[in-house]
Parts: sequence; structure tokens; C-alpha cells
Amino acid sequence: AQKITQTQPGMFVQEKEAVTLDCTYDTSDQSYGLFWYKQPSSGEMIFLIYQGSYDEQNATEGRYSLNFQKARKSANLVISASQLGDSAMYFCAMREPSSGSARQLTFGSGTQLTVLP
Amino acid sequence: NAGVTQTPKFQVLKTGQSMTLQCAQDMNHNSMYWYRQDPGMGLRLIYYSASEGTTDKGEVPNGYNVSRLNKREFSLRLESAAPSQTSVYFCASSTGLAATYEQYFGPGTRLTVT
Repeated sequence: AQKITQTQPGMFVQEKEAVTLDCTYDTSDQSYGLFWYKQPSSGEMIFLIYQGSYDEQNATEGRYSLNFQKARKSANLVISASQLGDSAMYFCAMREPSSGSARQLTFGSGTQLTVLP
Repeated sequence: NAGVTQTPKFQVLKTGQSMTLQCAQDMNHNSMYWYRQDPGMGLRLIYYSASEGTTDKGEVPNGYNVSRLNKREFSLRLESAAPSQTSVYFCASSTGLAATYEQYFGPGTRLTVT
């Protein structure tokens, strides 16, 4: 079974509008971390936002917020007031103890977001 | 703060050649990682170093070796490059191995083996 599922290979949004990128995850661990990364066409991986499994509040970082629904195992990224520079590939990722001693990040397949002027 | 830096940015090797990818971080992080990113396969962990002086295999270690030179630097060596190692290589670092710590990535090295 996929650990991280991103069901939207591509998304379009109009500039200045909000957009939600979906992410569901699968883990039996109680303590885990959920992360979103942005990968622009230049190739670097940029950390955006983090949500801990025990955090009761949804994480927010500027225009990014994470809609965390633990019972549904979803961690959707919401980008408010989209900008042209938000056009990029977005990856949802998880760290969990059962992934091994490295607790390496397990990534989803990504969502390519295009912001239209 | 430069964050995580990697050299080189691009490299073309012939099959059988060797090379070392360099990585350094200035965030005083304990843990460092090497991933490869292949189309359609996401990022996969090659090796990691929990702390200075330790290294361990990740998911896809065959054909690679690593050295944690000091707390700042973590290098990845390809002893005899193969076309299957054509990929984008990312170095990352984090405060530690706990699942709650985010990882910060370098800009990547795009490697082509012909």
C-alpha cells in the first residue's frame, strides 16, 4: 500500500485565488511528522510546512496552511492568494518511526501546480 | 546562512568512472542524508548519518559509499558509475532522526552516466 497518496497529478489555479492540494497517508505509528515541500522547475526542494501527529492546531506558515484531519489520515496543503511564483511541483511527505532507524522521508508522487495570470 | 550546499550542480560521467559528490550544511544539524530522485519514483534514501562519526545504509545503497567528514560535511562517492545511477542527487540535513524534525535539502546534483 502507498504510504503517501497525492491523487492530483496536476492542478490549475487563477492568480490570487486559494488552492488545496490533497494528501492522504497511511501509518500505524502514533508519533509521526507530515511535511510539504515545493520543487520549482529549477529543481531544489524547499521545505514549506510541518504538522506533528500530536499537534492539535493546524500548522500555518504565511500563505501556507495545513488542513490536518487525523481520523481521515489527510494532510492537505492550502495555499492562499496564489502567486505566479507558486507554480511548481508540490510533494507531501511523512517521517515515521517504523520507516526505519533513519526515519527517512517518504514522499508522495507530487502535484504539479500551475498558477494562471 | 547558506543552508545546505552541494557541489557540483551538474556532472557527466562515463561508465566505470568514479566521482564524489560534496555536501555541507551550516545549520549545526546532527543528521545528514543522501537521496536520489528518479522520474516517477520519488526520492529514495541512499545513505544517512545520524550524527558525526556514524553512517548507515538506506533503501538503495548499492554502488555508493559515504563519508561523514565532520559535523558539517557528508560526501557521497560513486566508485564505478553505471547508467542506472543517472539521477538527481539531493543531500539533506536535520536536527536529528526524530520523526518530528524537518529535513532541509541542498539544490541537488544532476548526474548523467553514459
